[in-house]
Amino acid sequence: NAGVTQTPKFQVLKTGQSMTLQCAQDMNHEYMSWYRQDPGMGLRLIHYSVGAGITDQGEVPNGYNVSRSTTEDFPLRLLSAAPSQTSVYFCASSLSYLQTGTNEQYFGPGTRLTVT
Amino acid sequence: LAKTTQPISMDSYEGQEVNITCSHNNIATNDYITWYQQFPSQGPRFIIQGYKTKVTNEVASLFIPADRKSSTLSLPRVSLSDTAVYYCLVGDMRSLSGTYKYIFGTGTRLKVLA
Repeated sequence: NAGVTQTPKFQVLKTGQSMTLQCAQDMNHEYMSWYRQDPGMGLRLIHYSVGAGITDQGEVPNGYNVSRSTTEDFPLRLLSAAPSQTSVYFCASSLSYLQTGTNEQYFGPGTRLTVT
Repeated sequence: LAKTTQPISMDSYEGQEVNITCSHNNIATNDYITWYQQFPSQGPRFIIQGYKTKVTNEVASLFIPADRKSSTLSLPRVSLSDTAVYYCLVGDMRSLSGTYKYIFGTGTRLKVLA
């Protein structure tokens, strides 16, 4: 299994540009999520999904859109990039507590985004 | 949501046992305690999860007193490769919304010295 994969690894955008960060998992996990991590800070939840076709907002959803058309993929779209969105973005996936007895999340390697 | 408080940083020497304590005074009845480890330039990695008393796996032990207002992650005989940030999270993992109400604080930066 490749686990959770994210592309690209690095990206530089100009203010106002849009782009999509890709996330895929091959573990058949129901739950997927996107976090951002600013320098020296913990992770903050942007959006999450509990299954194909179902998404919900996290702590910091403004400026981001998500959709989940398949179990495997959960792309994150930046609508109009701003310097405040400069961060490292992590995608994660997990099974439900009912299936495993924990809600251990598996994280991808991250995408480092700089908005100038 | 239960807020957690951890030391910002800790230093230890190789071969020592390291204990990182997390305070969560307003933990709810259905909340579980979870610890993650994060190396530089990597995503967090699940270490251990528990509800009460003691949980042990091949990596660490988690001690939770009866009042559950704190928990201690114990790393036996640390090595240089254990240098990382350790996050304590508290939340109700059994519900769909609870699973994603976990809050990653700033964590504890552990530095293991030779």
